[in-house]
Amino acid sequence: DAGVIQSPRHEVTEMGQEVTLRCKPISGHNSLFWYRQTMMRGLELLIYFNNNVPIDDSGMPEDRFSAKMPNASFSTLKIQPSEPRDSAVYFCASSFQRGGVDTQYFGPGTRLTVL
Amino acid sequence: AQSVTQLDSHVSVSEGTPVLLRCNYSSSYSPSLFWYVQHPNKGLQLLLKYTSAATLVKGINGFEAEFKKSETSFHLTKPSAHMSDAAEYFCVVSGRAAGNKLTFGGGTRVLVKP
Repeated sequence: DAGVIQSPRHEVTEMGQEVTLRCKPISGHNSLFWYRQTMMRGLELLIYFNNNVPIDDSGMPEDRFSAKMPNASFSTLKIQPSEPRDSAVYFCASSFQRGGVDTQYFGPGTRLTVL
Repeated sequence: AQSVTQLDSHVSVSEGTPVLLRCNYSSSYSPSLFWYVQHPNKGLQLLLKYTSAATLVKGINGFEAEFKKSETSFHLTKPSAHMSDAAEYFCVVSGRAAGNKLTFGGGTRVLVKP
């Protein structure tokens, strides 16, 4: 199993630019999660999808952030325009929800630096 | 509401000695509990999970954790530390009452001395 795949692994951009992070969940999983990790705030859930539908986006910081899941095998997290305070590691995770509590499997993360 | 407190932000052990990482949780309902490990510049890897079956849970790499409801604890242990155990460890709680959302502890960074 290839696990959760994220790209790019590293992204350096300038303030005001658009950034798109990509995630391919584990095949067969029906839930996908986007997290952000910073030294100050630790790991925060930004948004999660179930069967490609956004279920909870209460963690999305502001309108500059948007996420889509056009199909079961692909999701994007977009930041437009980016700001230095968006610098963080962004993780994607996926799981198979079947009614009980599922186990989330994390990707390697994308380290974003906004100058 | 649910929350997790990892009682030590840093733990230093010598190679070959036991490791103990402490975790206390708060949850309105029967929780599911996880330990994840994060090596430098890597993603989070699941070590083990508790989901209301046996209270002593064995995970990968020789780690185990015991769920103690009376103490609301889920401490992680390993009898003998290895250099490769140097990493950050996260205790995580989840539950159906919280929509199966994960709540992370602040993490414990483990240093293993030769």
